[in-house]
Amino acid sequence: DTGVSQNPRHKITKRGQNVTFRCDPISEHNRLYWYRQTLGQGPEFLTYFQNEAQLEKSRLLSDRFSAERPKGSFSTLEIQRTEQGDSAMYLCASRVAGEYNYGYTFGSGTRLTVV
Amino acid sequence: AQSVAQPEDQVNVAEGNPLTVKCTYSVSGNPYLFWYVQYPNRGLQFLLKYITGDNLVKGSYGFEAEFNKSQTSFHLKKPSALVSDSALYFCAVRFGGNEKLTFGTGTRLTIIP
Repeated sequence: DTGVSQNPRHKITKRGQNVTFRCDPISEHNRLYWYRQTLGQGPEFLTYFQNEAQLEKSRLLSDRFSAERPKGSFSTLEIQRTEQGDSAMYLCASRVAGEYNYGYTFGSGTRLTVV
Repeated sequence: AQSVAQPEDQVNVAEGNPLTVKCTYSVSGNPYLFWYVQYPNRGLQFLLKYITGDNLVKGSYGFEAEFNKSQTSFHLKKPSALVSDSALYFCAVRFGGNEKLTFGTGTRLTIIP
């Protein structure tokens, strides 16, 4: 599979628990992005990496959120002490810096439900 | 600040008729514009983009879009709609050195058999 892979597809968690999502980008893509999409809204930018370096973080990314891309390949997004407002679809995307032929390639997302 | 507006939450079109999904943007400088489609419980699929050059851009599945700088618009079009085109469509803009995409709120397109 040459697409962007996200796991798990669905996650239900109790309020206050920690959750971690994984994104495996297309292997030659050096840039990786995380977005959050709530019901009825378009995706909102959270953060992005070039290789292992996290270059930008949105104000949406509170202190409870942390993202890593330790070896410049896969990335994880962790949410600590989850709140009901964290319920959303978390989307990962990747691309090659400077290459726009195919836009940003998105994964199928991880849908988080906090109960 | 860059922003995107999709003025219609819902568009209904009869199968076989032409369809248009509207998008306007606000960004200083030259924008990079994108259209994505989303099917239920799925991620976003790239349809087409405008970076530079010809204002009429052709993309996947017979879709096209026209970049109109004077009207700051990037409407998505298709000459003959299919029932399988029914989905949620998002317009997005990126400006220059800014790395993030800013998305509109989406338009739900329903093709009526």
